[in-house]
Amino acid sequence: SQKIEQNSEALNIQEGKTATLTCNYTNYSPAYLQWYRQDPGRGPVFLLLIRENEKEKRKERLKVTFDTTLKQSLFHITASQPADSATYLCALEDGGFKTIFGAGTRLFVKA
Amino acid sequence: DAGVIQSPRHEVTEMGQEVTLRCKPISGHNSLFWYRQTMMRGLELLIYFNNNVPIDDSGMPEDRFSAKMPNASFSTLKIQPSEPRDSAVYFCASSEDRGYQPQHFGDGTRLSIL
Repeated sequence: SQKIEQNSEALNIQEGKTATLTCNYTNYSPAYLQWYRQDPGRGPVFLLLIRENEKEKRKERLKVTFDTTLKQSLFHITASQPADSATYLCALEDGGFKTIFGAGTRLFVKA
Repeated sequence: DAGVIQSPRHEVTEMGQEVTLRCKPISGHNSLFWYRQTMMRGLELLIYFNNNVPIDDSGMPEDRFSAKMPNASFSTLKIQPSEPRDSAVYFCASSEDRGYQPQHFGDGTRLSIL
């Protein structure tokens, strides 16, 4: 089955900068990959989905790339704000219905 | 729109007691998932239902765990007997049954077994 690796160390950046989070997977390329945001005491909230035949997807200040050769997805938040501080989870399909989640990377945006 | 509703939000009980967690999925969603989240293991899928039928329960840790979905608007996850190592946050999520649909999560039940 798939294994997902996300940076376990927190990412600290200054307000206004671009935050870049990395998601690496180990086995076959999934049909799709998703990114979720999780705030303390809350459930994950879906942000973006990118399919295997898409290289890039954008939504407002968010951008996701999917490189099946590198087995990697990058998640970018441009013009970051303190309100973007949260844990971001990468998730990908692991055979049919099943979605597996990475451990997440915590992002802190300082004012 | 009402999201996924879980109850209780917090549960503290003693080892050996039965624990029942409840979930109401979003109306119209016919896939339902139970997850457990811990610092050590992250978010783990326990069981998945489609149209109220359990499809894959390979993530259920052991026989002490059971889940039911008697109808499209209600599911339970039961632990009997509970043990301290079951302490975690348990999430329920639902999605539409079409390809690549995102999952909508409830806010979880924080379970502490003393």
